[in-house]
Amino acid sequence: GQQLNQSPQSMFIQEGEDVSMNCTSSSIFNTWLWYKQDPGEGPVLLIALYKAGELTSNGRLTAQFGITRKDSFLNISASIPSDVGIYFCAGLMNNNAGNMLTFGGGTRLMVKP
Amino acid sequence: EPEVTQTPSHQVTQMGQEVILRCVPISNHLYFYWYRQILGQKVEFLVSFYNNEISEKSEIFDDQFSVERPDGSNFTLKIRSTKLEDSAMYFCASGGETGDTQYFGPGTRLTVL
Repeated sequence: GQQLNQSPQSMFIQEGEDVSMNCTSSSIFNTWLWYKQDPGEGPVLLIALYKAGELTSNGRLTAQFGITRKDSFLNISASIPSDVGIYFCAGLMNNNAGNMLTFGGGTRLMVKP
Repeated sequence: EPEVTQTPSHQVTQMGQEVILRCVPISNHLYFYWYRQILGQKVEFLVSFYNNEISEKSEIFDDQFSVERPDGSNFTLKIRSTKLEDSAMYFCASGGETGDTQYFGPGTRLTVL
């Protein structure tokens, strides 16, 4: 099956620092989604990307859909303690009905106040 | 803001017992999904459902699993005879017009003893 390689696996940063994480694949995806998951809860959608090259922001978060459609990155600027959690990328191979999301392994973000 | 809800939040069962996990998707959504996440691992696709039928399923979704939309609001996942390895968080998700942007519920933690 398709695999998404997400890196880094974990990051421990100081409050106020910027963060960058990315996902790569050998397969082409038509949609990239970025989710945040807090312990014991469901993934919460942060940003959705639908077109190659698309750059989208949501507050302090910015994500881009790679030109090759095989990668995406997520940046968080000026991190704060509540940014702590696990961030997952997820890709959709095509936009047909019922298509499954393939998830990356997650990036665990820890922020030191 | 509309959200996906799931019940129960935690289910403990004996191996071999049947369980039904329940979900109420976002009301105007047309695409419904079940995913699972074994503790500490990535989220894995189980099944998608559209137009009252399964549209895609993974290898995990064997004949012990079934899904149903018994009325206009609920979407259920049944596991006929639970195994120890079925212990995981089970997430329901729903998607709107095209189903590519998927919104997740808070999950049901299933523990099989």
